[in-house]
Amino acid sequence: QVQLQESGPGLVKPSETLSLTCTVSGGSISSYSWSWIRQPPGKGLEWIGYMYHSKIINYNPSLKSRVTISVDMSRNQFSLKVSSVTAADTALYYCARGGYNNNWFDPWGQGTLVTVSS
Amino acid sequence: QSALTQPASVSGSPGQSITISCTGTSSDVGGYNYVSWYQQHPGKAPKLMIYDVSNRPSGVSNRFSGSKSGNTASLTISGLQTEDEADYYCSSYTSSSTDVFGTGTKVTVL
Repeated sequence: QVQLQESGPGLVKPSETLSLTCTVSGGSISSYSWSWIRQPPGKGLEWIGYMYHSKIINYNPSLKSRVTISVDMSRNQFSLKVSSVTAADTALYYCARGGYNNNWFDPWGQGTLVTVSS
Repeated sequence: QSALTQPASVSGSPGQSITISCTGTSSDVGGYNYVSWYQQHPGKAPKLMIYDVSNRPSGVSNRFSGSKSGNTASLTISGLQTEDEADYYCSSYTSSSTDVFGTGTKVTVL
C-alpha cells in the first residue's frame, strides 16, 4: 500500500524559499505521476504541479515562475520549492500520487502546514 | 487557468439523493474524460471518490456516482448518510497538460 509523507519547515519568512519533500513508501516513484497540491486555511484546493518519470514536469501557470519540482529516485522522494513567498503562500501542502495522465490523485499525504510570516 | 465552478453548498435529508455540479470549459471538463471527485472531512486529507468521470475506486460505496454532459460534470450521492457530510471537490485535466480543481461544495446532511 503506497503511503506519502510530507516534511519540511513549518515557518518561512516572506521573500524566502519554501522547501518541502515528499517521501513515498510501499511503491516506486518511477511509476505514476506525482503532484503537489495546496490548501490555504479555510479555502479550496489548488494544484501546484506534477512530475512523471522524473522527466515530464508541469506547473500551474499562476505559480510557474516561482515553483520547482524535482525528484530523487534513489531516495524515492520528490520535492517542491516555492520562491519569493508571501503570506498568500500560507497553506496546507499535500503531495499525492496521480494517474498516468495525472487524471486522478490517490493516495494523498497527510499534509504539512507552512506559514509565511516574519 | 480558472477554477471549475461548483455550488458553495448542497444539503439533503438522510436517504435522499443529491447532485453536485462542476462546470468548466471545452479546454478541461468538456475536452477530456478525466474528471475526478474528492471527499474531504474536516482536518483530513482529500479522498478520491470518482475518477475518469464515472469510475469508482475499490472500496468507495456505490452510492457515489459520476457523470458528464458537455462542460459540466456531476457527482450524485444516493441514500445520503450522515457520514457523507463533508466538502467535495472536482478536478479536471486540461488542454495545457495541467490540472484544475473546482471551488468546492459543502454537503450538509439535515
